[in-house]
Amino acid sequence: EAGVAQSPRYKIIEKRQSVAFWCNPISGHATLYWYQQILGQGPKLLIQFQNNGVVDDSQLPKDRFSAERLKGVDSTLKIQPAKLEDSAVYLCASSLDGGAGEQYFGPGTRLTVT
Amino acid sequence: GNSVTQMEGPVTLSEEAFLTINCTYTATGYPSLFWYVQYPGEGLQLLLKATKADDKGSNKGFEATYRKETTSFHLEKGSVQVSDSAVYFCAFNTNAGKSTFGDGTTLTVKP
Repeated sequence: EAGVAQSPRYKIIEKRQSVAFWCNPISGHATLYWYQQILGQGPKLLIQFQNNGVVDDSQLPKDRFSAERLKGVDSTLKIQPAKLEDSAVYLCASSLDGGAGEQYFGPGTRLTVT
Repeated sequence: GNSVTQMEGPVTLSEEAFLTINCTYTATGYPSLFWYVQYPGEGLQLLLKATKADDKGSNKGFEATYRKETTSFHLEKGSVQVSDSAVYFCAFNTNAGKSTFGDGTTLTVKP
């Protein structure tokens, strides 16, 4: 079974530039999560999708971050414009049906904002 | 609000030592509890889980018991190996699927 795919694996941009991350969840998984993991901290949930609808985006900085999950499969997370404090690893995870089930994580995208 | 408090690291042990990593949580309702592990250079992966009170999750010699009365889910292993060196994250999901993670505990096992 293929795992959660993410790209790119690494990205370096200057502040005020824009960047986009892509995630392909495990086939058949209805729920998709985007997390931000700052060095030395645990993952912080940014947004959760159930199929192509948003379940929770309460911690997404909506003035600069946006995410979509068209057709309920792949998802894209965008930052525009980026700030220095956005430097982090962005993790995508999926689960079969949300709820209390386990999540499967992708390898993450390490973003450095200079 | 929801939160997870993990024992601060880093933790350094000798091979075959006993391991405990403490984890307590604050959540509404009856969450499912998880330990995830991140080996060097790899992504997060599930280590074990427990979905209701008094359940014991176990995998690869690690164990954790869901203690509702103390809102805890401490991770234990009787004899650690060098290959157990990793970062360990305690986490929970509410029934609505909202996830909360601890900040992780780095374990280093020396031969």
